[in-house]
Amino acid sequence: QQPVQSPQAVILREGEDAVINCSSSKALYSVHWYRQKHGEAPVFLMILLKGGEQKGHEKISASFNEKKQQSSLYLTASQLSYSGTYFCGTNAGGTSYGKLTFGQGTILTVHP
Amino acid sequence: GAVVSQHPSRVICKSGTSVKIECRSLDFQATTMFWYRQFPKQSLMLMATSNEGSKATYEQGVEKDKFLINHASLTLSTLTVTSAHPEDSSFYICSARDGGAFGNTIYFGEGSWLTVV
Repeated sequence: QQPVQSPQAVILREGEDAVINCSSSKALYSVHWYRQKHGEAPVFLMILLKGGEQKGHEKISASFNEKKQQSSLYLTASQLSYSGTYFCGTNAGGTSYGKLTFGQGTILTVHP
Repeated sequence: GAVVSQHPSRVICKSGTSVKIECRSLDFQATTMFWYRQFPKQSLMLMATSNEGSKATYEQGVEKDKFLINHASLTLSTLTVTSAHPEDSSFYICSARDGGAFGNTIYFGEGSWLTVV
């Protein structure tokens, strides 16, 4: 089943913060976050493994609550380059590792 | 870091013909690769899992005779769209897992835009 992302779209001004959520109804082993710009392939942002860890990448960080099967992506002090569609990809682990089920995407637009 | 290369990036073919898309892991070995399809303004949908040395595993609703997958080596998987029709026009993208020095990251190729006319 496809994870559910929220919000579907968000509009920011440069410097503002945003949170994108990803929720699954299935037990997860890992959550993978990607950003995709129009006409391009998805770019890997980060991976969170079972264990509830939080990770950071410059001004972008994420958390994974395995009990709730939820992950959140935090974008702080947004830049124009952050614009794009953000996808979470979920994986149940085991023999299916690597096989991702993607959410419907969250369109992020950052204005000057 | 690990790189997955896909070729061609764009291809236009006539209806009824076949087209092959290649996916290569450039600096790691991938026993398993994955093929996704993405229609405009939609999410990525997994089509099949490509297994080196064995048959691919297809997702429900994906025609295995139409989308032929061959994983000939540890660094190459190919997707052949046979008897292509305009409705097959889409963005096809592969991914591979690098379980080696780079950990469990899953990398995507650059994608291939297929237009069937």
